Amino acid sequence: QKEVEQDPGPLSVPEGAIVSLNCTYSNSAFQYFMWYRQYSRKGPELLMYTYSSGNKEDGRFTAQVDKSSKYISLFIRDSQPSDSATYLCAMSASGGSNYKLTFGKGTLLTVNP
Amino acid sequence: DADVTQTPRNRITKTGKRIMLECSQTKGHDRMYWYRQDPGLGLQLIYYSFDVKDINKGEISDGYSVSRQAQAKFSLSLESAIPNQTALYFCATSDAGVGNNEQFFGPGTRLTVL
Repeated sequence: QKEVEQDPGPLSVPEGAIVSLNCTYSNSAFQYFMWYRQYSRKGPELLMYTYSSGNKEDGRFTAQVDKSSKYISLFIRDSQPSDSATYLCAMSASGGSNYKLTFGKGTLLTVNP
Repeated sequence: DADVTQTPRNRITKTGKRIMLECSQTKGHDRMYWYRQDPGLGLQLIYYSFDVKDINKGEISDGYSVSRQAQAKFSLSLESAIPNQTALYFCATSDAGVGNNEQFFGPGTRLTVL
């Protein structure tokens, strides 16, 4: 079993839809949970991060972490064509091991106008 | 100007050739990383460096070497390129003082080994 599992999709939705992206993980030492967004022919950029369990909201984006289930989610409300990208979840332990990010494979999202 | 730059952006080379990919950053970060990205495999860490004198192997370092010429420069070399090293390569940086270790990525180098 890989440390981080992410459905690669692709996922295609109409503009305005609510999008749910998910990852599961097996390493209970993970404390930081991140979502990176990668546009075509670009490097990944950090979209949101959460420390330990809970929810975090930023505009149309909400990140959720359920450590008891080892499950994280990213919700996108009122999705826009500009949200079309690959979304990568990433996780790390805290302290001295925080340098090592473990990435999911990424989910390719297309939002159709 | 971009904070993390990579050269070249695209490279086609032949099996057995030596090739160097270069990364420069203006973010003032101590930590630098090299990743490769393959379809269906996600991002895999090749090497990482905490400062000029601290270089470490990542998950998939075989066939690669690195050089940290300065705080701002980190180069990746393929001593004798082989076709399964065809991939997208990313350099990244991070600030050691930030708990979540947010990594900032360059635009990538698309390498094809024939």
